[in-house]
Amino acid sequence: QKEVEQNSGPLSVPEGAIASLNCTYSDRGSQSFFWYRQYSGKSPELIMSIYSNGDKEDGRFTAQLNKASQYVSLLIRDSQPSDSATYLCAVNPLSSASKIIFGSGTRLSIRP
Amino acid sequence: GAVVSQHPSWVICKSGTSVKIECRSLDFQATTMFWYRQFPKQSLMLMATSNEGSKATYEQGVEKDKFLINHASLTLSTLTVTSAHPEDSSFYICSASPGRGGYNEQFFGPGTRLTVL
Repeated sequence: QKEVEQNSGPLSVPEGAIASLNCTYSDRGSQSFFWYRQYSGKSPELIMSIYSNGDKEDGRFTAQLNKASQYVSLLIRDSQPSDSATYLCAVNPLSSASKIIFGSGTRLSIRP
Repeated sequence: GAVVSQHPSWVICKSGTSVKIECRSLDFQATTMFWYRQFPKQSLMLMATSNEGSKATYEQGVEKDKFLINHASLTLSTLTVTSAHPEDSSFYICSASPGRGGYNEQFFGPGTRLTVL
């Protein structure tokens, strides 16, 4: 089992709709969870951090964390073509000190 | 805030030469810096973790004598690819962590694209 799992996609969503990205992780003791966005040919950009169960909202983005189910998700409301990118879920496992473990990413495509 | 720079943004070199890449945290002190490599259409691969003033910790399979890492200060880390070969051509990305409250979020530099001829 991979430490951080994501569906690779591509996930195609119409403009203006809600895009839902999911991620599961294996280390139950993990404390910190992150979503990064990576455009093709560019480096990752941190868009959300979440540390406790529940929802965290920032503009059009909402991160959801369920530690009991070992599940993290990212919702993007009112999707725009500029949201088309690869979204990386990342987790800081208890076993890894300062390292964060990245999923392989979900490619999101927003169609006009 | 949380800006990380990398230099150079791209470099082309001949096989057998060495290349140095700099990573700087511009507006925070980084307790830890990380070096990643990414091949086209592949995932990020962590190469090593470095803390200021101590030796880097390399991931399994990464040659420490080929990829030299120096973390001279809380705002600067360098990666030197020694005796580069075409198979070392890749996108090298650093990240820095301010280590606030133990949350370990990482902020990435813009990356360096290395092409070895």
